[in-house]
Amino acid sequence: AQTVTQSQPEMSVQEAETVTLSCTYDTSESDYYLFWYKQPPSRQMILVIRQEAYKQQNATENRFSVNFQKAAKSFSLKISDSQLGDAAMYFCAYRSAIHGEYGNKLVFGAGTILRVKS
Amino acid sequence: DGGITQSPKYLFRKEGQNVTLSCEQNLNHDAMYWYRQDPGQGLRLIYYSQIVNDFQKGDIAEGYSVSREKKESFPLTVTSAQKNPTAFYLCASRERPYNEQFFGPGTRLTVL
Repeated sequence: AQTVTQSQPEMSVQEAETVTLSCTYDTSESDYYLFWYKQPPSRQMILVIRQEAYKQQNATENRFSVNFQKAAKSFSLKISDSQLGDAAMYFCAYRSAIHGEYGNKLVFGAGTILRVKS
Repeated sequence: DGGITQSPKYLFRKEGQNVTLSCEQNLNHDAMYWYRQDPGQGLRLIYYSQIVNDFQKGDIAEGYSVSREKKESFPLTVTSAQKNPTAFYLCASRERPYNEQFFGPGTRLTVL
């Protein structure tokens, strides 16, 4: 079974600075997808960024970028120019590319709370 | 506006009672999911449905039941058999064959 580990329960960053959130995963599959979701205090889950495992190029979305290291099974999220609105819980998630018995469910890490200081 | 709605936002239940959480989507998505979120943990899959009139158990289905009579609706019933029902429940949907799951705003269930 696949597992996702986020080893940082909490992180802090000063406004306008850069922060990196860590995520590692375990899988025997070669084709899969990885995601970062943001959950602000409203608790609405918002997709931040996704990465296809077959792509070597790291995904970017405005101030958000990932460092995808397939061999190391690592998928970190970098937030540049941090803003107060970035304060939230961030979840790393894995999804198999194989149509499996769980309808391609998302496997989530435990989350990292990001605090942004003004 | 297209999206996923969940109601109610907060729900209180006495022990021994069944309760049904609503999830509706107007995104025309085929697949729908129910997740449970507990403090300090990520989301865990309860049930999922890939098409109308079909659904499958997820990792923690015991004490829960679902139905999928319409494409737009995927209600979750928390039964009295669920030992620790107090949690935050999130519904999600996905348009096949795409990958992203879109989430509703969630329902906070508290058992008194």
